[in-house]
Amino acid sequence: DAKTTQPNSMESNEEEPVHLPCNHSTISGTDYIHWYRQLPSQGPEYVIHGLTSNVNNRMASLAIAEDRKSSTLILHRATLRDAAVYYCIRSGSARQLTFGSGTQLTVLP
Amino acid sequence: NAGVTQTPKFRVLKTGQSMTLLCAQDMNHEYMYWYRQDPGMGLRLIHYSVGEGTTAKGEVPDGYNVSRLKKQNFLLGLESAAPSQTSVYFCASSLRHSSRYEQYFGPGTRLTVT
Repeated sequence: DAKTTQPNSMESNEEEPVHLPCNHSTISGTDYIHWYRQLPSQGPEYVIHGLTSNVNNRMASLAIAEDRKSSTLILHRATLRDAAVYYCIRSGSARQLTFGSGTQLTVLP
Repeated sequence: NAGVTQTPKFRVLKTGQSMTLLCAQDMNHEYMYWYRQDPGMGLRLIHYSVGEGTTAKGEVPDGYNVSRLKKQNFLLGLESAAPSQTSVYFCASSLRHSSRYEQYFGPGTRLTVT
């Protein structure tokens, strides 16, 4: 069962960094950690994924704990456009991803 | 390069009617997926396909059928629509196995069954 635990909601101020936490205490050694986000009335959008090392791309950074039981998605400078539901997903050997209910991020101007 | 497109964008059906949702991708992806999303909830996988001519059941397959006759298209059928199938339907594709490759999503189809 590829379950993760995320807070239901978070708030951030515009132009400040945002740290979105995710717990995946039962993760196995070959599971990747994926983050997707869903803006209002749109389909989900890929953000980032990683296995063990921290990862950076143009959208965000992913910090993975040394024991891999938790991870944090970092948006370096939140904008109003970053307001969305963020999903942390643990991929296993199954060929599909299982989406939970995610974290609703509100960005305050 | 249009990515993933879905047809139609909106549809209203009466209970018992049938319909087919079309998903098309132009990225030469092997894997394709159909999800449904009910209000305030995450996505749930209905069916998926790992290649042309192959399909498999996801988390909530009952009441739906799928076909993947061409690599670029993935069809979702409702043979006898029920009000419980009112939802937003998303199609997605990925180059290969989702644990390694990102999924690209379409804009969704909003279906209402009365």
